[in-house]
Amino acid sequence: GDSVTQMEGPVTLSEEAFLTINCTYTATGYPSLFWYVQYPGEGLQLLLKATKADDKGSNKGFEATYRKETTSFHLEKGSVQVSDSAVYFCALKALGGGADGLTFGKGTHLIIQP
Amino acid sequence: EAEVAQSPRYKITEKSQAVAFWCDPISGHATLYWYRQILGQGPELLVQFQDESVVDDSQLPKDRFSAERLKGVDSTLKIQPAELGDSAMYLCASSFTGGNSPLHFGNGTRLTVT
Repeated sequence: GDSVTQMEGPVTLSEEAFLTINCTYTATGYPSLFWYVQYPGEGLQLLLKATKADDKGSNKGFEATYRKETTSFHLEKGSVQVSDSAVYFCALKALGGGADGLTFGKGTHLIIQP
Repeated sequence: EAEVAQSPRYKITEKSQAVAFWCDPISGHATLYWYRQILGQGPELLVQFQDESVVDDSQLPKDRFSAERLKGVDSTLKIQPAELGDSAMYLCASSFTGGNSPLHFGNGTRLTVT
């Protein structure tokens, strides 16, 4: 079945550091890919998405590129802020058929220190 | 911006009792999902509705869990009887129909079974 693997956390960085959170996936066909962010005690918020190979999703300074050849969708940000501290989830959505719920990775807890 | 509404926000119940959660999706979203998120893990799909019909309930523990969306709008998830292992965050999400459509999540119901 479909699966998503993302780097284990917590990831601790200093403010203004460069961020990479790795995500790889296994799926049949060509799924849509998403990054969601979850702040403490809240639901998940969509951060960015990409729907086909070589697409780049971007939002709030975060970017991720859909790499079909490496089945990856790594999240990057050039300069992180304390307010970016949260849990980040990589997810895929299979195309075709009625059942198209998101398959999530286990999440990466990001801690940004001032 | 329209939001997915969930209630209650928190619920504490004793094991063997019945408990119910309610979700009102974003207007116009035909697809509705219930997820369970155990602390420190990614959300796992319990059930997916397309309008009032169940599309996928393969991971729903049907001996104790039930879900309905009678008029194709709001939805209820019930657990009877609750067990200690059911303690988790229960998240509702909705989306437009289609593989590229992102899911929009509510803030969830935090269930504690004592």
